[in-house]
Amino acid sequence: SQKIEQNSEALNIQEGKTATLTCNYTNYSPAYLQWYRQDPGRGPVFLLLIRENEKEKRKERLKVTFDTTLKQSLFHITASQPADSATYLCALATSGGYNKLIFGAGTRLAVHP
Amino acid sequence: GAVVSQHPSRVICKSGTSVKIECRSLDFQATTMFWYRQFPKQSLMLMATSNEGSKATYEQGVEKDKFLINHASLTLSTLTVTSAHPEDSSFYICSARDRNRMNTEAFFGQGTRLTVV
Repeated sequence: SQKIEQNSEALNIQEGKTATLTCNYTNYSPAYLQWYRQDPGRGPVFLLLIRENEKEKRKERLKVTFDTTLKQSLFHITASQPADSATYLCALATSGGYNKLIFGAGTRLAVHP
Repeated sequence: GAVVSQHPSRVICKSGTSVKIECRSLDFQATTMFWYRQFPKQSLMLMATSNEGSKATYEQGVEKDKFLINHASLTLSTLTVTSAHPEDSSFYICSARDRNRMNTEAFFGQGTRLTVV
């Protein structure tokens, strides 16, 4: 069956450290993968998109890698800040019509001062 | 960035009544809108895909007669939860894709917290 797995346990790190979140998927062949941030009681906000032919993407303190052989994406936040505390969701774009996005359950990140 | 406005943000209704949720793309045209629901600490579950001017496509297990979707224009889609029951209480979120940028990011509304009492 198709699965998108993110670490369900919260990730607690110290301010200034690098946070690394993992997204693994099975039985998908996504054209691209996206990462979103979601704060409590709010809709997700887009962060980064990486295509199947790209290995790495960066945006300011954020970095995403995409390994289609391992079927895994890693999401890094460098020099983390308490304001980075949120739930981070990975999403796959399915093939076929309408470009549906299927989401993982998300990983909660808590950055402590 | 593009803005998607969802209304209302919170609604409490009595069991058996119907509730309508609106989703508007404010500064772009959305040929396709998506409706999700999310239970606490769980993933966004896709309910249906809404295309302007045509019938919505529902995901397996979603009752189309209970969750009525209308996408009458390129900037507005509505979700009506009919004859709501307590088990329909959830966080409902809409998403829109810019018709000129279908292979890029999705823009989400703020979400609607529905509580059925």
